[in-house]
Amino acid sequence: NAGVTQTPKFQVLKTGQSMTLQCAQDMNHNSMYWYRQDPGMGLRLIYYSASEGTTDKGEVPNGYNVSRLNKREFSLRLESAAPSQTSVYFCATSGQAPNYGYTFGSGTRLTVV
Amino acid sequence: AQKITQTQPGMFVQEKEAVTLDCTYDTSDPSYGLFWYKQPSSGEMIFLIYQGSYDQQNATEGRYSLNFQKARKSANLVISASQLGDSAMYFCAMRGINYGQNFVFGPGTRLSVLP
Repeated sequence: NAGVTQTPKFQVLKTGQSMTLQCAQDMNHNSMYWYRQDPGMGLRLIYYSASEGTTDKGEVPNGYNVSRLNKREFSLRLESAAPSQTSVYFCATSGQAPNYGYTFGSGTRLTVV
Repeated sequence: AQKITQTQPGMFVQEKEAVTLDCTYDTSDPSYGLFWYKQPSSGEMIFLIYQGSYDQQNATEGRYSLNFQKARKSANLVISASQLGDSAMYFCAMRGINYGQNFVFGPGTRLSVLP
């Protein structure tokens, strides 16, 4: 009954380093999402995957790449981290719109120095 | 395009009193869902309540109710009998039926419950 498992919970990177945020869901949902949360700006969509094998850009995709490895897993990669990518990242999954809400992972607090 | 507006960056309420958090939205989708999420200081996002655009009655979940006024495009969250544990950020969000079916979130309202 884990729902959405997101790792790591915390990470500090140096500018220019790369890392991958992992997300896995056991809810058998087709749709998965990556959001970033910054103070005063709510949650902004980075990338999403409507189904296995498909990915699409959201509102703020620059500097990120994603992989939908299978139905369960959706990873977010920062190839060359920048201080502007300091944020809290959330993975989420959902059933069909419009009457299914998101189930969120616990979040990753990323600091780029 | 869809947009959520939450005009109250911060709110204070006395314990045991009711409070209303405002949310207005804009969409061209004929069918959509409206959601409220709570984010306590621990950081997780907790689903509170859902309202469908064609639902005839306002949604209620325990102490939470949604005052849905479709013509005004508003979906205000009402918390009755506030508790200290209600202190958190509250996000209004919506989701339409268009391709992508993605959520759009408002900037949030920080609620502080005073003892």
